[in-house]
Amino acid sequence: AQSVAQPEDQVNVAEGNPLTVKCTYSVSGNPYLFWYVQYPNRGLQFLLKYITGDNLVKGSYGFEAEFNKSQTSFHLKKPSALVSDSALYFCAVRDSNAGNNRKLIWGLGTSLAVNP
Amino acid sequence: EADIYQTPRYLVIGTGKKITLECSQTMGHDKMYWYQQDPGMELHLIHYSYGVNSTEKGDLSSESTVSRIRTEHFPLTLESARPSHTSQYLCASSPRVGWHTEAFFGQGTRLTVV
Repeated sequence: AQSVAQPEDQVNVAEGNPLTVKCTYSVSGNPYLFWYVQYPNRGLQFLLKYITGDNLVKGSYGFEAEFNKSQTSFHLKKPSALVSDSALYFCAVRDSNAGNNRKLIWGLGTSLAVNP
Repeated sequence: EADIYQTPRYLVIGTGKKITLECSQTMGHDKMYWYQQDPGMELHLIHYSYGVNSTEKGDLSSESTVSRIRTEHFPLTLESARPSHTSQYLCASSPRVGWHTEAFFGQGTRLTVV
């Protein structure tokens, strides 16, 4: 069965420190992986995605994520956190082998708090 | 900013009223989605459409209904609102070509039924 896990409900980091938001997945075929961010009272904004190719993907606002096939992970990272990065982060996966049932499977979200 | 719009942004309405949440996109996307989300919580897919006259129920059972008469428009209707319908509703769209494309989200409608 397809699934996504974000093992941490909340991540706290100090401004200027590196941040990592974790995501692991399970699909039967090759994964299409996505990260979205949601600021308070807003919709979701796309950050980055992995489809194929280079395992390190760079996205918006200085974020990047590394696809690790052996660990089935797609952790979101940023070298230096900003207070404005505080938001809810969602990881999502789509199974490339799911035929017509290629719905996005969403993680439960991780709340990131960056402290000044 | 994505060209997908939801109205109203906020709605407070009494129990038993009929409501329609509007969602429109100007990107020509074939796929459209409705998600329900309680504040700070996970997303639940309640309806989706892969094109005109195509609608399907999502993973979370919902008493709402949707229609897709035009590509750009995907309204969600509740015939009789109840307090249990209080939530945030997010509309999204994505292009038809390829399952690797990202979805674009509207700003959401926060519905409160009193």
